[in-house]
Amino acid sequence: DTGVSQDPRHKITKRGQNVTFRCDPISEHNRLYWYRQTLGQGPEFLTYFQNEAQLEKSRLLSDRFSAERPKGSFSTLEIQRTEQGDSAMYLCASSLNTGHQETQYFGPGTRLLVL
Amino acid sequence: KNEVEQSPQNLTAQEGEFITINCSYSVGISALHWLQQHPGGGIVSLFMLSSGKKKHGRLIATINIQEKHSSLHITASHPRDSAVYICAVVGSNYQLIWGAGTKLIIKP
Repeated sequence: DTGVSQDPRHKITKRGQNVTFRCDPISEHNRLYWYRQTLGQGPEFLTYFQNEAQLEKSRLLSDRFSAERPKGSFSTLEIQRTEQGDSAMYLCASSLNTGHQETQYFGPGTRLLVL
Repeated sequence: KNEVEQSPQNLTAQEGEFITINCSYSVGISALHWLQQHPGGGIVSLFMLSSGKKKHGRLIATINIQEKHSSLHITASHPRDSAVYICAVVGSNYQLIWGAGTKLIIKP
């Protein structure tokens, strides 16, 4: 257990429905990252926050995806109008960025299956 | 060309064999991670390196900054070592850039 939690751990939804995932980082960590991992592939970067500011979004993050970190603590990732291709493991990681080296600590992931 | 390349992509070996997984990168980095991912998705950080060599149990990781290359070695491999091993580098702005992973299967 790294101290990063994600909820839910599993989600099954029908195509076209909206889903929202939550990530609670380690409390003093200022950076929070979202990744997506499909079967047989390495994780792909989606977006990251420094405190409450979303600093970068991958081109993989289509308009149907939105992420927030309103108070600089927990974050939510919402997928609207889910498609079967959205089925993947969604990973959250947090880190303390001090301007030197940083280690990202990963949550257990939320496994999404879109039927 | 990917910024982080791992080889081999797949590796099957017999229990007891010495295992080497390689990672090459093309960007400037401040550190390199080796991670282990078991079926079911859990990711465990094995090592973070910025120079030299680290050892933990049967695992050894080395990095050559000049050649932009790192290796992960497993001595006396065991079936429980079967997992996907991922090399990831800390690039500009401290983001992790991931390799595609090496799927390792150790047969008893």
